[in-house]
Amino acid sequence: KQEVTQIPAALSVPEGENLVLNCSFTDSAIYNLQWFRQDPGKGLTSLLLIQSSQREQTSGRLNASLDKSSGRSTLYIAASQPGDSATYLCAVLEDDMRFGAGTRLTVKP
Amino acid sequence: EPEVTQTPSHQVTQMGQEVILRCVPISNHLYFYWYRQILGQKVEFLVSFYNNEISEKSEIFDDQFSVERPDGSNFTLKIRSTKLEDSAMYFCASTPDRNNQPQHFGDGTRLSIL
Repeated sequence: KQEVTQIPAALSVPEGENLVLNCSFTDSAIYNLQWFRQDPGKGLTSLLLIQSSQREQTSGRLNASLDKSSGRSTLYIAASQPGDSATYLCAVLEDDMRFGAGTRLTVKP
Repeated sequence: EPEVTQTPSHQVTQMGQEVILRCVPISNHLYFYWYRQILGQKVEFLVSFYNNEISEKSEIFDDQFSVERPDGSNFTLKIRSTKLEDSAMYFCASTPDRNNQPQHFGDGTRLSIL
């Protein structure tokens, strides 16, 4: 059974720092991996999707990598801003989508 | 940008009552999903729906749950006889392509069972 783990559970950084969020999964037979942002009381906003054949995807200040063989993905956020404060979730797609518990990010002004 | 919309945003229901949660997926999308998130826990897959039938369902999606696409725009989740443990946020999602495109989520319905 696929298990998705995210480390750290919470992270607090000063504005302007670059940071890395980690995601690991136990079964490498995935179709894709998706990173989401969730604001309190809100739905999930899709940030990046990496196909199983891809190694990375970039969108603005965000860069996500995928190492399928080792079961790992990272989300790199450059020059963090207070508006980046949210919970970041990763999810892998097999027969269904399995989510990690998320990393709660706080960026302090 | 097109959005997935869900109604109501908050539903309060007595235990044992039936509840219907409604979703309008993005119009050109073909795959539809329901997820739930119990407070403080992970987002959990419930069911996927394609071509007017269920394509996958989790062990959570037992006989008290059903889904329907009653017309060309709505996608509903019905819980027949609600239990206290059904209290959660329920999210609807859609995508045009199951494996190659991202899933887009609505803002959710908070279901509170009393």
